[in-house]
Amino acid sequence: DQQVKQNSPSLSVQEGRISILNCDYTNSMFDYFLWYKKYPAEGPTFLISISSIKDKNEDGRFTVFLNKSAKHLSLHIVPSQPGDSAVYFCAASALGSNYKLTFGKGTLLTVNP
Amino acid sequence: NAGVTQTPKFRILKIGQSMTLQCTQDMNHNYMYWYRQDPGMGLKLIYYSVGAGITDKGEVPNGYNVSRSTTEDFPLRLELAAPSQTSVYFCASSPQGAGGKLFFGSGTQLSVL
Repeated sequence: DQQVKQNSPSLSVQEGRISILNCDYTNSMFDYFLWYKKYPAEGPTFLISISSIKDKNEDGRFTVFLNKSAKHLSLHIVPSQPGDSAVYFCAASALGSNYKLTFGKGTLLTVNP
Repeated sequence: NAGVTQTPKFRILKIGQSMTLQCTQDMNHNYMYWYRQDPGMGLKLIYYSVGAGITDKGEVPNGYNVSRSTTEDFPLRLELAAPSQTSVYFCASSPQGAGGKLFFGSGTQLSVL
């Protein structure tokens, strides 16, 4: 049973446009959410996070939105750049879990020049 | 900056063989984790440790063992390798209180034939 779901395996956008990556979760105990970015043959790298007490967190071109009632979060990248092309993983952890992360399957983002 | 170092990068095992995947970090992080990523899937937690001498099971611990004798090292042992253990293995570390912001190694690609 997938507790963190990324239903779009891939997304293609034009350079300069907005990329929106979506993530849904089912576990009500999750209270911290993160996005990781992964290039081929490398380990994932942390991108941005959000606590359940917030509904938005922004870091430069990256913004994460959290809708707790819908159990949905999204990552917005504006403007998208070719170097953003990578697999993006949504992850979540529950309070008191020692930050054990549950990951989604990932979305491959391709930004076309 | 070395960060999290994993060795080897690639390995082919025969069914029934054993091996140890090495992981070391030079950031003095308390928390360390082992994840595996199967093709088209998200990362799944095998084992984790919150400090030297303390380890605990994750989501998919069967067929693996770990030890944590020092802060720096967190080796993962595969006993009696099976084809189902063919995967990419990632080690990660995190300082206490980092909210799930893990630092990953570059991974070990393991094939069991």
